[in-house]
Amino acid sequence: GDSVTQMEGPVTLSEEAFLTINCTYTATGYPSLFWYVQYPGEGLQLLLKATKADDKGSNKGFEATYRKETTSFHLEKGSVQVSDSAVYFCALSEATGGFKTIFGAGTRLFVKA
Amino acid sequence: GAVVSQHPSWVICKSGTSVKIECRSLDFQATTMFWYRQFPKQSLMLMATSNEGSKATYEQGVEKDKFLINHASLTLSTLTVTSAHPEDSSFYICSARVEGVGPDTQYFGPGTRLTVL
Repeated sequence: GDSVTQMEGPVTLSEEAFLTINCTYTATGYPSLFWYVQYPGEGLQLLLKATKADDKGSNKGFEATYRKETTSFHLEKGSVQVSDSAVYFCALSEATGGFKTIFGAGTRLFVKA
Repeated sequence: GAVVSQHPSWVICKSGTSVKIECRSLDFQATTMFWYRQFPKQSLMLMATSNEGSKATYEQGVEKDKFLINHASLTLSTLTVTSAHPEDSSFYICSARVEGVGPDTQYFGPGTRLTVL
């Protein structure tokens, strides 16, 4: 079945450092890919998405490119802020799966001032 | 944007009682709603897919008699945890899929934290 694998955390960075959180997936069809963010004590928020190969999703300085050849969707940000501290989930959804969302394990990010 | 609400946002109940959680799409019609549970510091695990007017489809390992799902209208799905026990304590999250807006458009509710004493 479909699955998502993302790098284990926690990831601890200093403010203004470069962030990469790796994500790879396996899917039977052509999924849409997502990054969700969950801030402490809050619900899940969609951060960005990409629906086809080579698409780049971006939002709030975060970017991720849908790489079909490497089945990856790595999340990057050039300069993190303390307010970016949260848990980040990579996820996929596809029609053959009834559009249910499959989540990765989540990566906790701590950004120090 | 589209909003999904959940009620209650948190609930504490005694072991053996049943708890109902509501998931509503506030400004759109959702033909499909999904229910997830999230244990502390873990990922979201899909419990079931709920389609309006039909029986829910449960994921492997999820007890359908324990987690009753009803999707009576295009804006409301309910999850009832029957005879709750402490191991059912978790964060329950629903999402709603918008038909026709795009194959990948889903909106998540804020979640319901259930604590069973």
